[in-house]
Amino acid sequence: SQQGEEDPQALSIQEGENATMNCSYKTSINNLQWYRQNSGRGLVHLILIRSNEREKHSGRLRVTLDTSKKSSSLLITASRAADTASYFCATDTGNQFYFGTGTSLTVIP
Amino acid sequence: DTAVSQTPKYLVTQMGNDKSIKCEQNLGHDTMYWYKQDSKKFLKIMFSYNNKELIINETVPNRFSPKSPDKAHLNLHINSLELGDSAVYFCASSQDFWAELFFGEGSRLTVL
Repeated sequence: SQQGEEDPQALSIQEGENATMNCSYKTSINNLQWYRQNSGRGLVHLILIRSNEREKHSGRLRVTLDTSKKSSSLLITASRAADTASYFCATDTGNQFYFGTGTSLTVIP
Repeated sequence: DTAVSQTPKYLVTQMGNDKSIKCEQNLGHDTMYWYKQDSKKFLKIMFSYNNKELIINETVPNRFSPKSPDKAHLNLHINSLELGDSAVYFCASSQDFWAELFFGEGSRLTVL
């Protein structure tokens, strides 16, 4: 089975609210990345967090990594309608790279 | 300037045909990939390639083959197309294996 599993599968929130999605993985990693995919488009890299980092910020994005629990979370603050997309985590195990199952986020204006 | 471009964007064809999807990157990256995204949006790595190494996902049928005429191009050839090959195929590139990936816009293949 794939390395990364995301939770929830789908999330619907009002504009201005925060959105949190989680990623769990199975083996040790070098780094974990988050990507966004708008409908009908390619994936866009959002942020990379290394295994020795616990938290990282980029604009309205905050990523945490807990290697003891083999999990990561992506928080999008003050969401906008334009944040509507699917979000994927991806893990680099050193000799493989796995994408998670994705979370579909809908932000209602 | 489009960083990773792939053509065609849409491809409709009959079972048994042979088709190709082209990919070009202008980022100067050393590594390129092909991914398959199914109807449930699951992304499966098919090939990863740089000028030294081709890594093939062992689950990919040998009807699929990558062809790289130079560092900036990685084309995907598919022989004897089957219904189950219908999917969106993404090309991507990165400076090193599994560094930040830059994706193309995808090629939607429909096999009838």
